[in-house]
Order: sequence, then structure tokens, then C-alpha cells
Amino acid sequence: DTGVSQNPRHKITKRGQNVTFRCDPISEHNRLYWYRQTLGQGPEFLTYFQNEAQLEKSRLLSDRFSAERPKGSFSTLEIQRTEQGDSAMYLCASSPGAGEEIQYFGPGTRLLVL
Amino acid sequence: QKEVEQDPGPLSVPEGAIVSLNCTYSNSAFQYFMWYRQYSRKGPELLMYTYSSGNKEDGRFTAQVDKSSKYISLFIRDSQPSDSATYLCAMSRTGGYQKVTFGTGTKLQVIP
Repeated sequence: DTGVSQNPRHKITKRGQNVTFRCDPISEHNRLYWYRQTLGQGPEFLTYFQNEAQLEKSRLLSDRFSAERPKGSFSTLEIQRTEQGDSAMYLCASSPGAGEEIQYFGPGTRLLVL
Repeated sequence: QKEVEQDPGPLSVPEGAIVSLNCTYSNSAFQYFMWYRQYSRKGPELLMYTYSSGNKEDGRFTAQVDKSSKYISLFIRDSQPSDSATYLCAMSRTGGYQKVTFGTGTKLQVIP
């Protein structure tokens, strides 16, 4: 049994560069979520996919952020022109859908923008 | 005012103590109540969840929900040093997809 996996686990980049993170949800989970967590805070919702459709985006998700989930399997989160304020842990979670909304999280990708 | 309030701690207890962690919330539409444990630099791990009111027990952990007071609790019996982590409460509404709202987390340290 494999849980939610995320890659890379750590990313250090310079301000202005683009970065892309990948999330592989639990097999057969229809719903996939991205969250951002900063030090001392709980995860904050960014966006949500039902299969391949992106159904909700938070106001936190600026125009520099884009997420995709082609074919309803893995998902990618891209940040363009990174800023120091983007430094955070980016968490992915998945849930089965169909009545069960409990979300299972991956280990996260820690981003540091210098 | 945040929808979910949680004391950030830190909370330090001796090994073997009973730990009580709590959250209050303001949205009466919340129906799913969850507790996650998060070790440093790791993703949150689901500990327990409860639908609507009541108690749920799993080993040394007991979750309680009091919807009339909008108050949830997690009790840890016979606490162990390995329980040292940040505990996040989380909640959501029901009916199709509903985003999960998290508390800020309470940092717990169990001292041997």
C-alpha cells in the first residue's frame, strides 16, 4: 500500500525562477488537494481537483501559480517567477470521494526561495 | 476571527501523563472533525476522525466532539516521548466536496 507521494522533497531556488512540484495520490482516489503551510501555521487550502477537473482555487493562488491534473492521476503545481514569500511547505492530499471526505497527506515539498 | 481556533502551545508534559488538546470553531455547518499529527518537517498524518457529535476511542487516543459548544478535544493517555509532535485539528462540512479548515496546531513535548 502506497500513500500519497510528493517530489521533490526539498527545493531551493533563486527568486524569479520557476519551480514545479509533483504529487501522486493514493491509487483510485478521485479528489486531490494542494495546501501551503508556513511555520507555526496549519495548512492553508490552495486548490482542489475532482479527477482531472480543477473545481476550486483559493485567493491564495495568485496568477503565478498553476496546477494541473492530466488524466486524473498525478498532479503538478508550478510557481512562476518565485518570490521569497513563496517559501513554505507545499502539501498534497487525496481523498476517495464518493461520500468519504477524509484527506490523506503526502510528506510535502519544502520550498526555499533565496 | 478565525473559523478554527487552537492554542499553539507549546505544551510540555511528563511521560505517562494524560494530555488534553482542544479546538473551538465558529462554523456550525462543520460535520467532519479530524485530528492530524505532524512531526517536524513531515506531512500531517491522520490520527482520528469523527462525524458529527460524540466520542471515538482508538488505543490511547480519544476524540470528543461537543457541537453545542463548538468544541472538540483529543485526549492522549499514557503519553510517550514518541507522541511529541504538533497536533492539528481540522474540520469540514458535509455534502459533496468541502475544503478542510485547519487549526494552527498545538506543539506537544512529552518529557521522558
